[in-house]
Amino acid sequence: KQEVTQIPAALSVPEGENLVLNCSFTDSAIYNLQWFRQDPGKGLTSLLLIQSSQREQTSGRLNASLDKSSGRSTLYIAASQPGDSATYLCAALSLGGNTPLVFGKGTRLSVIA
Amino acid sequence: GAGVSQSPSNKVTEKGKDVELRCDPISGHTALYWYRQSLGQGLEFLIYFQGNSAPDKSGLPSDRFSAERTGGSVSTLTIQRTQQEDSAVYLCASRKTGANTEAFFGQGTRLTVV
Repeated sequence: KQEVTQIPAALSVPEGENLVLNCSFTDSAIYNLQWFRQDPGKGLTSLLLIQSSQREQTSGRLNASLDKSSGRSTLYIAASQPGDSATYLCAALSLGGNTPLVFGKGTRLSVIA
Repeated sequence: GAGVSQSPSNKVTEKGKDVELRCDPISGHTALYWYRQSLGQGLEFLIYFQGNSAPDKSGLPSDRFSAERTGGSVSTLTIQRTQQEDSAVYLCASRKTGANTEAFFGQGTRLTVV
């Protein structure tokens, strides 16, 4: 059974810092891995999706990497801004795709101006 | 529509009443997921649909919870005889078939049982 873990649970950084959020998964037979952002009281917004055949994806200041062999994905945020403050969640979709997305509990990020 | 739509956005109900939550997925999305999120907690999987069938309903907490999907589109999640512990935000997501397809979430229904 797939399990997804995100460390740390919370992170506070000063504005302008580059930072890395970690996501690990127990079953490397994944279809894809997706990163989301959740603002307080809101739904989830998709940030990046990495297919199992890919090593990384980039969107603006965000870069997500995937290493299936070690069961890890990282989300790199460059030049952080106060508007980046939110909870970041990763979700793994197991091979075949006929399964639910399995989520980590998220990392709550605060970027201090 | 442009995105996943959930209704109502907020629902307050009395303990013991039945409630129905609705999810309109993005047109053409065959996979549909229901999750719930209690205050300050992570996402708890409830049920997954592929078309109109539910290959995985292992997350439904009790037999008071049921869900259906008709026409490969709209889904309803029904909670019978609501309890206070059912209070949470219920989130719906949909996804196209394929490896390079993102899941998109609705804004959720906030259910409060008083």
